[in-house]
Amino acid sequence: GAVVSQHPSWVICKSGTSVKIECRSLDFQATTMFWYRQFPKQSLMLMATSNEGSKATYEQGVEKDKFLINHASLTLSTLTVTSAHPEDSSFYICSALWGEQYFGPGTRLTVT
Amino acid sequence: DAKTTQPPSMDCAEGRAANLPCNHSTISGNEYVYWYRQIHSQGPQYIIHGLKNNETNEMASLIITEDRKSSTLILPHATLRDTAVYYCIVRETYNNNDMRFGAGTRLTVKP
Repeated sequence: GAVVSQHPSWVICKSGTSVKIECRSLDFQATTMFWYRQFPKQSLMLMATSNEGSKATYEQGVEKDKFLINHASLTLSTLTVTSAHPEDSSFYICSALWGEQYFGPGTRLTVT
Repeated sequence: DAKTTQPPSMDCAEGRAANLPCNHSTISGNEYVYWYRQIHSQGPQYIIHGLKNNETNEMASLIITEDRKSSTLILPHATLRDTAVYYCIVRETYNNNDMRFGAGTRLTVKP
């Protein structure tokens, strides 16, 4: 139980385009989900907290207009990277809160 | 959340116990100690957590000192698949709390 999936697992997009990443809790409902970013050889950095039915809370330094988060249901949160640039290339990981935090497998974004 | 200190890397022989230390000298009374690991290019995997008593599950054991200022994660019989970055995190009780990851310990299990 407590499985979190992410889609896609990897994506390549061109600079200036937008890309959407989905995070789903498969066998439980999560009112709270979290989005992290991880650059090569670095630790996970929390980007934002996503609460179902309300606006996400962003960490300091994370542009809310660039990283759009929508938590429209109790099993789905989406992260949209708008006007992506090469420096947005990273490993994006979500987690869902169900007592404990359960992490998804991650999405590798490459912006060319 | 309290900060944690872990050695950046450790090696362990396959089949032997891996003992991963973590210092959390500023931990407060309502903060738990959590351990996660991250195998290369995957999401973090929950291992174990505890408040003040030692804990054991099918993956590992967690030993917390009496003053709670440090802890040790024990993998009793390390395998090559245990090679990963191990993160020790302290945080308050789990309602609506995010995880703050430090640098972790890169454990390499060698044949």
